[in-house]
This record gives sequence, C-alpha cells and structure tokens, in this order.
Amino acid sequence: KNEVEQSPQNLTAQEGEFITINCSYSVGISALHWLQQHPGGGIVSLFMLSSGKKKHGRLIATINIQEKHSSLHITASHPRDSAVYICAVKYSGGGADGLTFGKGTHLIIQP
Amino acid sequence: DAGITQSPRHKVTETGTPVTLRCHQTENHRYMYWYRQDPGHGLRLIHYSYGVKDTDKGEVSDGYSVSRSKTEDFLLTLESATSSQTSVYFCAISEYLLAGLNTGELFFGEGSRLTVL
Repeated sequence: KNEVEQSPQNLTAQEGEFITINCSYSVGISALHWLQQHPGGGIVSLFMLSSGKKKHGRLIATINIQEKHSSLHITASHPRDSAVYICAVKYSGGGADGLTFGKGTHLIIQP
Repeated sequence: DAGITQSPRHKVTETGTPVTLRCHQTENHRYMYWYRQDPGHGLRLIHYSYGVKDTDKGEVSDGYSVSRSKTEDFLLTLESATSSQTSVYFCAISEYLLAGLNTGELFFGEGSRLTVL
C-alpha cells in the first residue's frame, strides 16, 4: 500500500516563528494537496501542486518530484494558524478513487 | 466556498439501526467521495461516485453502501450500524480532470459526527 508520511506529527511554536511541515510519498504522483483542518471544523484545501512552488499569503508549498517530497511553510506564524495540516497525494495511473492521505501534523502557535 | 452540505451534522444511534448520511452539492461536480476520519488514521475512502448511478468501493467499504440518483446528491448508508462505525464522515467533491495530467481540487463538507452506542 502506498503511504504518505508527514513530519512532525505535532509541533508547538511561538508566534512569529517560521514553520515547516514535511510530506514524503513512495511512488510517482500526479498531484499533491495540502489541506487545513481547524479543531472541530471542516477541511479546507490550501494548495494543489504537481511541480515547483506555490505561494498564498504567508503560506508557501514546494514539491520536489525527484525526491518525492513536499514541504509546507508558514512565515510569521500566528495563533490563528493553529490547525491540523494534512498532506494528500494522487498517485499516477490511479483512477478517480480519490487521494491517499497522511495522518496530519497538529500545529499549535502560542502567543 | 464550494456549495457542499452534509446532513445530519451530528447523530447518535444504537447498534443495529440503519443510518443514512446525505451529501448535497450545488457545484455540478462529477466526482463525489465519502471519507471517514478516525484518530491515528488519515482520511480513508469509503465509497466514491464518478457520475449518476456510477459508484465504486474505496479502502474501507465493508458495512457501507452508497447511492447517487442525481448529480447533486450522494447518500451513504449504514444498513446496520456498529460501534466500529463511530467516526466523523466527510463528503468531498471534485471536478477531476485527466488521470496522470491533472487532478481537480477537492472541496469538503463540514463533516458528520456519528456515534453508535
């Protein structure tokens, strides 16, 4: 079974710190998603990428296809960034049967 | 926000009773998914649909059935609920494009918390 591994599982940081969350996968993919889930809340798509880098506000997502690795960065972190961040991949050659998800990284930003 | 709603949002039921969760979308997206989310696991696919009356099983489909009679509605049924089906259920929709070339963005519902006593 193809796995998606995220690290760290839990991360506590101070407001203003630069945050990095990592995601690695095992075989070729057609797309990688970063999702955000607030406590008790729904799931929101942050990025979908298949190569290179994307930026939205203070969030940056990068992917290295050769190394099968992606990172999500948060600059100038804020308590409202506290959430679970989930990496998910669409494996190449797969059908329409959705994504394979990592277990998530629980991020807490303290004021 | 994508127009996707789940109902009910919360339900408590007893073992052996039937339960139906509804996912309704206003986006006319072709693909719809039901996932369950449990502590210690990533989101796991239960069933998905790629069109009206076209459905297929996911990773954890045992004990669940689905139906899609209209583009906008995707129903998940537990014929006889068990305690192991206590979970948070998420519906998602996607306008999935060509395999291997691109994959449409996923939009999630708010989740339905089901407790089976």
